[in-house]
Amino acid sequence: QSVLTQPPSASGTPGQRVTISCSGSSSNIGSNTVNWYQQLPGTAPKLLIYSNNLRPSGVPDRFSGSKSGTSASLAISGLQSEDEADYYCASWDDSLNGFVIFGGGTKLTVL
Amino acid sequence: QVQLQESGPGLVKPSETLSLTCTVSGASISSYYWSWIRQPPGKGLEWIGYIYYSGSTNYNPSLKSRITTSVDTSKKQFSLKLSSVTAADTAVYYCARAGGPPHNWFDPWGQGTLVIVSS
Repeated sequence: QSVLTQPPSASGTPGQRVTISCSGSSSNIGSNTVNWYQQLPGTAPKLLIYSNNLRPSGVPDRFSGSKSGTSASLAISGLQSEDEADYYCASWDDSLNGFVIFGGGTKLTVL
Repeated sequence: QVQLQESGPGLVKPSETLSLTCTVSGASISSYYWSWIRQPPGKGLEWIGYIYYSGSTNYNPSLKSRITTSVDTSKKQFSLKLSSVTAADTAVYYCARAGGPPHNWFDPWGQGTLVIVSS
C-alpha cells in the first residue's frame, strides 16, 4: 500500500518560517483534498488543516496549507516552542475502492 | 463539545479477536461518519476504517478481511473487532469523528487506548 511521502524531520528557530512537504500521486493528492494533523508529545492527533488550506476554529493563522498537483505543503510561520510536534498529512486514495492514506509523519524540532 | 472515549481490553492474545468500543458525547452519532485509526508504538498513523450510522463501511484494504465494525445509536457507541491478531497489531487505537469519504478529516479524536498483543 502506498504512503504519502514526508521528510522524517524538520527544524527551525523561534520566529522562523518552516515548511513541511507531502508528496503523493494522481490517485490521492492529485485528485483529492489534503488534511494535516498535529500530534503533540504523548497526545492524540489534532486536525490542523482541512480541505488543503482551511483552518478549524481555534487553529492560529500561523499555520497554512497549500496543494499543487500531487504535492501539498504545511507552512508554519512565527515558529514557537509549543509547535514542536509530529505532523501528518492525509488524503483519500481512489484505488482499491478507496481508502485513507497518511504520510509517514514529520517530527518538527524547535531549536 | 464533542468528546470520544475508547474502551476495551489492553491485552489480547495472539490469534484472538481485539474488541474496542468508542462512546460519543456531545454529538449525534447519526449525523457523521466515525472512524478507527491506529498508531504502533513509535510509528505513524494507519487508518483502519469508516462506519456510518446506517451501517455503510469503508475499510483499509490491508485489514479488510479481519475487520468488523458496528454502530449502536441508542448507546451512542461504535465498535471495532479485529480478528486473528498478531504482535504487529500492537498499537494505540484511536476513534474519531470523520468527514467520510472522500473528505478524510478526523476531528475530534479520542485520547487513544493502547492494545498489546502478547501471550
